[in-house]
Amino acid sequence: KQEVTQIPAALSVPEGENLVLNCSFTDSAIYNLQWFRQDPGKGLTSLLLIQSSQREQTSGRLNASLDKSSGRSTLYIAASQPGDSATYLCAVEGPNTGNQFYFGTGTSLTVIP
Amino acid sequence: DGGITQSPKYLFRKEGQNVTLSCEQNLNHDAMYWYRQDPGQGLRLIYYSQIVNDFQKGDIAEGYSVSREKKESFPLTVTSAQKNPTAFYLCASSAQQGAGANVLTFGAGSRLTVL
Repeated sequence: KQEVTQIPAALSVPEGENLVLNCSFTDSAIYNLQWFRQDPGKGLTSLLLIQSSQREQTSGRLNASLDKSSGRSTLYIAASQPGDSATYLCAVEGPNTGNQFYFGTGTSLTVIP
Repeated sequence: DGGITQSPKYLFRKEGQNVTLSCEQNLNHDAMYWYRQDPGQGLRLIYYSQIVNDFQKGDIAEGYSVSREKKESFPLTVTSAQKNPTAFYLCASSAQQGAGANVLTFGAGSRLTVL
């Protein structure tokens, strides 16, 4: 069974700082890895998707990288803003888990003005 | 705008009652999913469906039931057999399972509280 881990569970940074969120997974046979954002009491919003053949994806101030062989992904947020405060989750989809998506428990980010 | 609509947003249930959560999508997605979210435990898959009239159990299907009579709709019934149903329930859909660029889209969620 695929296991997805996100460290740290919570992170607090001052506004303007660059930061990195980590995601690791145990089964490297994946189709893709996605990063999501979740605001309190809301659904998840997809931020970036990296296919297994790709190394990274960028959207605005966000950059996600994937090292499939080591089972790791990072989400880099540049010049953080208070509006970035949310929980960030990663999820992987793969053939060895019935094509299901498996999620990490998330990193709760607080950006202090 | 295309998206996923979940209703109701909040639901209160007495012990022993069945309740049904609605999920409708207009994205023309083939695959639909139900997840349960509890504090500190992340998202856990309850059921998923790849095509109409077919669905598979996820990791925590006990006490739940689903149907997929239409491509657009995937309702979830929380039965009285579910021992701890208080949670936040999320419905999602994707264009095609097993595809590389298979973006998962979520609804806004339904919060169920058992009184």
